[in-house]
Amino acid sequence: DSGVTQTPKHLITATGQRVTLRCSPRSGDLSVYWYQQSLDQGLQFLIQYYNGEERAKGNILERFSAQQFPDLHSELNLSSLELGDSALYFCASNLGPNTGELFFGEGSRLTVL
Amino acid sequence: AQSVSQHNHHVILSEAASLELGCNYSYGGTVNLFWYVQYPGQHLQLLLKYFSGDPLVKGIKGFEAEFIKSKFSFNLRKPSVQWSDTAEYFCAVTLRSNDYKLSFGAGTTVTVRA
Repeated sequence: DSGVTQTPKHLITATGQRVTLRCSPRSGDLSVYWYQQSLDQGLQFLIQYYNGEERAKGNILERFSAQQFPDLHSELNLSSLELGDSALYFCASNLGPNTGELFFGEGSRLTVL
Repeated sequence: AQSVSQHNHHVILSEAASLELGCNYSYGGTVNLFWYVQYPGQHLQLLLKYFSGDPLVKGIKGFEAEFIKSKFSFNLRKPSVQWSDTAEYFCAVTLRSNDYKLSFGAGTTVTVRA
């Protein structure tokens, strides 16, 4: 158990819908990262927050957005879902800059039908 | 452009065989290097990491990796694999000056036959 909690573990929805994935970081961690893992794209960095502020953006679509709340949990919002958005979405956390290692949650598996 | 390359997509070997997985990166600047493992149905876990110092780093479960700066490589090795090493292995790199973005290689699936 990494200490990072993600909900829901599985989610099935239809194209055009909107979903919210939630992540609670390890106790004491200030940074939260979101990654998308798909068969064709591998592990892609989406976005990172540190203490409530966005710090880095990767290959995140405009249909996707995220935020980190004052209690440090984070939500990833995926809207106007397409079939290609089906993937495993991982959240990771660490203490912050230059602490290196990320601790990953078990992921939220999204299936878009 | 910054990139992380893992040479092998799928490796199949027998128990007690030696394992070496290649990882090369293309980054301008000083890097931090990692190997993560994902066992079937589980989350990513850190195997080992290199920040500085001895370029030969030892991790958990008997794994080690060698950083060769001149070759931009960070290959993972294990002298004798077990069936329980069946997993997907990811090399990951970040710039030390900006470690917000940890970039992963495509991963190597390792299947160990009993």
